[in-house]
Amino acid sequence: GQQVMQIPQYQHVQEGEDFTTYCNSSTTLSNIQWYKQRPGGHPVFLIQLVKSGEVKKQKRLTFQFGEAKKNSSLHITATQTTDVGTYFCAENFGNEKLTFGTGTRLTIIP
Amino acid sequence: DTGVSQNPRHKITKRGQNVTFRCDPISEHNRLYWYRQTLGQGPEFLTYFQNEAQLEKSRLLSDRFSAERPKGSFSTLEIQRTEQGDSAMYLCASSYRNSGNTEAFFGQGTRLTVV
Repeated sequence: GQQVMQIPQYQHVQEGEDFTTYCNSSTTLSNIQWYKQRPGGHPVFLIQLVKSGEVKKQKRLTFQFGEAKKNSSLHITATQTTDVGTYFCAENFGNEKLTFGTGTRLTIIP
Repeated sequence: DTGVSQNPRHKITKRGQNVTFRCDPISEHNRLYWYRQTLGQGPEFLTYFQNEAQLEKSRLLSDRFSAERPKGSFSTLEIQRTEQGDSAMYLCASSYRNSGNTEAFFGQGTRLTVV
């Protein structure tokens, strides 16, 4: 089964509010990737984090990798309706297969 | 469109029948992956190929499942004697294996319904 947990499972926010999803593992992660899956769509790669404490930004999205490499977060500032979807973290174990987290489903209230 | 292509997009089959799905990866990608996704869950790894070699199979992949990538290009996933529990979205992904980024590009998936 999956070993990477994400919280929350669901998040409903007003448009313009911020959103954060957290990814936690009981073991040290070799790296972490984040994917977005729109309703009815397929996962689309957002970013990869490799280094302890790494922080990367993409416009309104900020990705962090924990110092102990056991957790990661994705923060979206001032959400827009286009941010709707499910956000997955995934460990790319040994640069081979992906082990996905449970996902956080984001809905936006206009 | 030069992305990952999967066919068919939808498949409804009766329990006990065999089904086969096809995946055409991005042409220069040497890695090809199969994942299964059920409603409300993240994709679960099934198997992957580097070129034509099948390098790993998940324990989720029972003997009824078989995957091939005969010429290192397209791949097929066959499920024999389908069961209702096989109903899911089957996702194919491809990537180019190098020492750096290993971004996976996913296809639109094949949604299987076993009735």
